[in-house]
Amino acid sequence: GQNIDQPTEMTATEGAIVQINCTYQTSGFNGLFWYQQHAGEAPTFLSYNVLDGLEEKGRFSSFLSRSKGYSYLLLKELQMKDSASYLCAVLDSNYQLIWGAGTKLIIKP
Amino acid sequence: GAVVSQHPSWVICKSGTSVKIECRSLDFQATTMFWYRQFPKQSLMLMATSNEGSKATYEQGVEKDKFLINHASLTLSTLTVTSAHPEDSSFYICSARTGVMETQYFGPGTRLLVL
Repeated sequence: GQNIDQPTEMTATEGAIVQINCTYQTSGFNGLFWYQQHAGEAPTFLSYNVLDGLEEKGRFSSFLSRSKGYSYLLLKELQMKDSASYLCAVLDSNYQLIWGAGTKLIIKP
Repeated sequence: GAVVSQHPSWVICKSGTSVKIECRSLDFQATTMFWYRQFPKQSLMLMATSNEGSKATYEQGVEKDKFLINHASLTLSTLTVTSAHPEDSSFYICSARTGVMETQYFGPGTRLLVL
């Protein structure tokens, strides 16, 4: 079966750095997406990785290791507005997005 | 980035009525649109995938006669919840992409409350 694992909840302090991990086992791989979802809102696109390595985009970076079936989202200089759920999703061999359950990130002052 | 709109953003209706939700890609042509449902504090659940001009593909457990999907153009898909009941109350979100390898962009969602 297809499976995506990410922690259910994480807590971090404003101004700090947090890393949200995602491991996956899917039938094929055509890329991995990270989305941010604030409570009561729809997801918004953060990043897409299809090759191994780190992609940096401002305060957010995303890393991929295809051989390990592993990705992480790194958030730096955390702000209160970063409190949200972060969803990991893998595009499988049928070009279907397989979603993780999401990681709820709580930022404390 | 690509913009996807949904209308209406909120619907309150009586049990037994039908509700239509529109999803539009505003600045790109969406070959594929997706409909999701999300209950409070739960994960996104894919309901169906629709490609322009063809019948939607429904996920297991989703009744195609209850959730009618039409994707008549490259910029518009509609979801009609027929004979809605209180258990259909949920957050319905559409997303769209231009191609199989492209990013899915989400609409803002529609909150449905069936009384």
